[in-house]
Amino acid sequence: DTGVSQDPRHKITKRGQNVTFRCDPISEHNRLYWYRQTLGQGPEFLTYFQNEAQLEKSRLLSDRFSAERPKGSFSTLEIQRTEQGDSAMYLCASSPTGEIRYGYTFGSGTRLTVV
Amino acid sequence: GENVEQHPSTLSVQEGDSAVIKCTYSDSASNYFPWYKQELGKRPQLIIDIRSNVGEKKDQRIAVTLNKTAKHFSLHITETQPEDSAVYFCAASNVGGGNKLTFGTGTQLKVEL
Repeated sequence: DTGVSQDPRHKITKRGQNVTFRCDPISEHNRLYWYRQTLGQGPEFLTYFQNEAQLEKSRLLSDRFSAERPKGSFSTLEIQRTEQGDSAMYLCASSPTGEIRYGYTFGSGTRLTVV
Repeated sequence: GENVEQHPSTLSVQEGDSAVIKCTYSDSASNYFPWYKQELGKRPQLIIDIRSNVGEKKDQRIAVTLNKTAKHFSLHITETQPEDSAVYFCAASNVGGGNKLTFGTGTQLKVEL
């Protein structure tokens, strides 16, 4: 499989619990992005990595959110003390640096439901 | 920051007709404009993109036009088919600024038989 993989596909959690999502990008892509999409809206940028360096974080990313990409390969997104407003689809995407002929490749996303 | 507006929010056409979706952007530094198609419950998929040094690009039934002066770009789908039914998102980014995409709010396209 040469696409972007995300795990899990679905996650239901109780308010206040912590959750962690994983993204495996296309192997030769050194940029990795996290987006959040709510129903009826376009994806919103959260953060991105170039290799292992986290280069930018959106204001949307509160202190309860943290993302890592420890070895420049897979990435994790953790949400602490989840709130109902965190319910959304969390999308990961990857792209090569400098060559954007093919744009992003998105994963299938992790759908988070906070009850 | 960048702001992208997209119209219309819903579009219904008869099979075989053309469909046009329009977007405007605010940041003159934006230089890359992709379009994504998203079917219900699936990932956004890139269908066509254009860079700011090009005014028009075509790929079979799909074309995109860009007017840098007016800061707007459009998606044109000709000879629409039922499988074109989906939500379409435009986006804009500054390639030199990390290529983070700012998306429009989407257009629900329905192609009726």
